[in-house]
Amino acid sequence: EDQVTQSPEALRLQEGESSSLNCSYTVSGLRGLFWYRQDPGKGPEFLFTLYSAGEEKEKERLKATLTKKESFLHITAPKPEDSATYLCAVQEQRNRDDKIIFGKGTRLHILP
Amino acid sequence: DSGVTQTPKHLITATGQRVTLRCSPRSGDLSVYWYQQSLDQGLQFLIQYYNGEERAKGNILERFSAQQFPDLHSELNLSSLELGDSALYFCASSVAAGQGYEQYFGPGTRLTVT
Repeated sequence: EDQVTQSPEALRLQEGESSSLNCSYTVSGLRGLFWYRQDPGKGPEFLFTLYSAGEEKEKERLKATLTKKESFLHITAPKPEDSATYLCAVQEQRNRDDKIIFGKGTRLHILP
Repeated sequence: DSGVTQTPKHLITATGQRVTLRCSPRSGDLSVYWYQQSLDQGLQFLIQYYNGEERAKGNILERFSAQQFPDLHSELNLSSLELGDSALYFCASSVAAGQGYEQYFGPGTRLTVT
């Protein structure tokens, strides 16, 4: 069965302490891998799309990378405002199906 | 602000009832998606419409239905509601279908079934 697994489930870091979140996936052909940030009670906020292995994208303190089986979201020198749940999602390479499969997310808490 | 709007923000209703959730996509977006988010299941894809036609179906119950209108807004109808239907319902939109277009999410509707 197709699956998206994120680890760790939760992560507590001190302000300025860099780390990485992992997203591993098993789909029969990847059309795109997406990273979202979600604050409590709000809709997911789009961060990045990655399409092929070796691709990297950056935005402020966040950098997303992609291999054939997993993606990493690197957080450099995080600040308390980076605290949120980070969601990974994949879209399969199918003829007409744009189904998106979300992981359960990593809850990130940055301590001041 | 993503540009996707959803109404109502909160909905409290009783078991057995029927409700309609409404979504307006970002200006220019043709594709609309519906998701359900509960604490134990995470974000679950329900259904996608593209330019008025159903394009993809996920884990949508037979008691649920959706449609997209000519002005591209969409409605999700939930009937014979059960306690387990209590969740956050999100709508998302993308500019087109296929090719890994990113989806932009609305603020959600929190449904509570009592």
